[in-house]
Parts: sequence; C-alpha cells; structure tokens
Amino acid sequence: DVKVTQSSRYLVKRTGEKVFLECVQDMDHENMFWYRQDPGLGLRLIYFSYDVKMKEKGDIPEGYSVSREKKERFSLILESASTNQTSMYLCASSPGLAGTYNEQFFGPGTRLTVL
Amino acid sequence: DAKTTQPPSMDCAEGRAANLPCNHSTISGNEYVYWYRQIHSQGPQYIIHGLKNNETNEMASLIITEDRKSSTLILPHATLRDTAVYYCIVAGYSTLTFGKGTMLLVSP
Repeated sequence: DVKVTQSSRYLVKRTGEKVFLECVQDMDHENMFWYRQDPGLGLRLIYFSYDVKMKEKGDIPEGYSVSREKKERFSLILESASTNQTSMYLCASSPGLAGTYNEQFFGPGTRLTVL
Repeated sequence: DAKTTQPPSMDCAEGRAANLPCNHSTISGNEYVYWYRQIHSQGPQYIIHGLKNNETNEMASLIITEDRKSSTLILPHATLRDTAVYYCIVAGYSTLTFGKGTMLLVSP
C-alpha cells in the first residue's frame, strides 16, 4: 500500500526556533510537495521537488526552505518560526510519469503551533 | 484565480448516488480534471482524473461534457464514510491549486 509518512502529528514550538518537518515516501516517487492548510484559505503550495537536490518555489515560499538529499525524503525547514506559521502542514508525493504528475498521495499532516 | 466552480455543500442519503458538479469553462486543451477529497483531519486523497473521456475506477466515475466545460463526479453508492470535502481541480503539467471544494454530507 502506498505510504507517505510525516515525522510528527502535532508539534509545538516557540517563536524564533528552527523547525524541521520531515516527510518520507516509500513509493519511489520522483515528485514531492509541501503544502500548508489554513481555515478559509485552503491548501497552498509552499515548495516542491521533482528530483533529488532539486526544488521549486510554490505559491508561498517566504519564511520556508526545503531539502531533498534522498529521493524518499523531503524536509521543510522553518528557519525562524513565527506565530503566523501556525498551521497544518501536508506533504505529498507523485510519480514522474506523464499524466500522473498530479496524482498526489498525501501524508496525514503535521499540526504545528508556534507560541 | 479560481479555475473551477463548485457548490459549497451538498447532501446525499446513504446508499444513493452522489453526483458532484464542477464548472471549468476556461479549461485549456492540455488540462486535466482532477478530483480529490479530504475527510476531516486527514490529508487529501486522490480519487480520479480525466482529460476528455469518461473515467471509472473502484472509487468513482468521472463524466466530462463534450465541450469539457463541466464535469460530474459520481459516487455510485454513497456511504457515511464518503462524508468529506470534494475538490475539483483543473491542471496541466503544473502544480495543483485547491479551491474551497464541496462539503458532501452523507446521512443515514
């Protein structure tokens, strides 16, 4: 069965802390994505990656960075967490085959609270 | 800018077919129609996608009009576990943009 796992279901951090959110997929997918979801704003794409060591900015990359050193792992980094980064963070992956790029498999999400 | 228009909410009786409409009048020739759903407190789940032909899988059927300006997702026998927000998304070889979706409530 297809699986995308995220390191934590719930996380509480303090303003100014460096935060790492980890995502691992076991499907050998080329593409990986990070979204955040907020009430009234829906899901918004932060960053995505279509290959190891490759990254592309999504719609709201400010305040975030990413790392993809291995194909199965995609990390989202908050260099200095702020309260407006309190949100649900969702990771997804998809195959790189033509026509399947947007057939994304999502993880369960990490609810991050920044105090 | 929203590329799709969906009703904010719909109701369906358990065991009946749920027909969820979506308008996408500005769809381009190389863009697919994708459907996802999100059950409360879970990540979105891919359901189905299509280009111009009707599609069916174990979860649902997708009916796309001949002019491709609208589509309907059909859940043939809705169950209580189908209660979720359903997103209709139009995209080519580009990233997905999730709108507000349709909240489907399946009742006993």
